[in-house]
Amino acid sequence: EVQLVESGGGLVQPGGSLRLSCAASGFTFSSYSMNWVRQAPGKGLEWVSYISSSSSTIYYADSVKGRFTISRDNAKNSLYLQMNSLRDEDTAVYYCARVGIAVAGVGYFDYWGQGTLVTVSS
Amino acid sequence: DIVMTQSPDSLAVSLGERATINCKSSQSVLYSSNNKNYLAWYQQKPGQPPKLLIYWASTRESGVPDRFSGSGSGTDFTLTISSLQAEDVAVYYCQQYYSTPPIFGPGTKVDIK
Repeated sequence: EVQLVESGGGLVQPGGSLRLSCAASGFTFSSYSMNWVRQAPGKGLEWVSYISSSSSTIYYADSVKGRFTISRDNAKNSLYLQMNSLRDEDTAVYYCARVGIAVAGVGYFDYWGQGTLVTVSS
Repeated sequence: DIVMTQSPDSLAVSLGERATINCKSSQSVLYSSNNKNYLAWYQQKPGQPPKLLIYWASTRESGVPDRFSGSGSGTDFTLTISSLQAEDVAVYYCQQYYSTPPIFGPGTKVDIK
């Protein structure tokens, strides 16, 4: 059974940093591209970042470019999101999501974790 | 970036009746080299993560009930729930993956009338 379990969320002041983790199991993690997608309270879904299976290709949403860094450790079956210079508008539930079928670009998301809440507030 | 719109914002349908959700992209998401529409549909129930229902605009994900179907091509797409069940109460999102960044529609809330 595919499982994605996020951790690392919490309350942080504006300008602060946080590192999210996503532990994957039930599939060959090193064969799949992964993403972070977020959802502000009561709002819709916003894609944040993508990383290919070998980490050779990385994309970011314009809203987080230069502040967030995605990475992965295939030996540990883990995905990460380092978030710096956090802003109020980064407050959201952050989901890790697996890409369903490899396509040019990001693709669609066939499995999602339960999410971890990041609250940016003073 | 491609802009995704959905209509209606919300709808209420009687149990057993048909629910229809529309999704429109600001440019075609049909890739001519493989004749595939790069469009997915998700269902999100309260307090849960999104769940993939449909990809390639009309391919049902494994385990998804056949009352869910997707149709359309180019810029106009439809998700149909042929006979609404109580467990289908949720917000439904379309998503284009034709280009980066992938963009989700704003969502359509489906309730029971």
